[in-house]
Amino acid sequence: QKEVEQDPGPLSVPEGAIVSLNCTYSNSAFQYFMWYRQYSRKGPELLMYTYSSGNKEDGRFTAQVDKSSKYISLFIRDSQPSDSATYLCAMMSLGSGGGADGLTFGKGTHLIIQP
Amino acid sequence: ETGVTQSPTHLIKTRGQQVTLRCSSQSGHNTVSWYQQALGQGPQFIFQYYREEENGRGNFPPRFSGLQFPNYSSELNVNALELDDSALYLCASSASRGRGWLTYNEQFFGPGTRLTVL
Repeated sequence: QKEVEQDPGPLSVPEGAIVSLNCTYSNSAFQYFMWYRQYSRKGPELLMYTYSSGNKEDGRFTAQVDKSSKYISLFIRDSQPSDSATYLCAMMSLGSGGGADGLTFGKGTHLIIQP
Repeated sequence: ETGVTQSPTHLIKTRGQQVTLRCSSQSGHNTVSWYQQALGQGPQFIFQYYREEENGRGNFPPRFSGLQFPNYSSELNVNALELDDSALYLCASSASRGRGWLTYNEQFFGPGTRLTVL
């Protein structure tokens, strides 16, 4: 079983719909949770990061973390064709050395917003 | 402010050869992390350099090695290339407060170098 599971999709929705993207994880040591967006042939771009369980909102994006269920979500409201990209969840634990374990990524979900 | 840059953009090598990839970190950042992203997969952590020393390593063999220079730019070297090394190699820079500092530092990614091994 991989440490982070993410459905690769593709996920196709009409413009204006609410999009829900999810990841589950098995390592309870993960403390920081991130969502990255990656366009084709580009590096990942950080959208949001959270530390505690609960919701965090930024514009059209809401990140949700449930540490008890080891489940994180990203919601996109009023989706636009420009949101079409691969969305990667990422997680990090802080080892005794401090922040040197790197990020553990999911496979990424390919999202298509139809005009 | 200049972002993270990587060179070259694309590279084709043959099995058994050696390759060096380069990364310039964002202004003000002292830490560089390298990731390997195979087609259809998420990035996998190779290693991290903080102030010219390796500061953590993922599950990659010793033929993957790196350097960080006084200006915080970095190189990734891969010896004895294998077909499975074909991937997008990503560099990410961040501003760490020091070893053992238990906090999250945002990692800014470069555009990557696409390596093809034939």
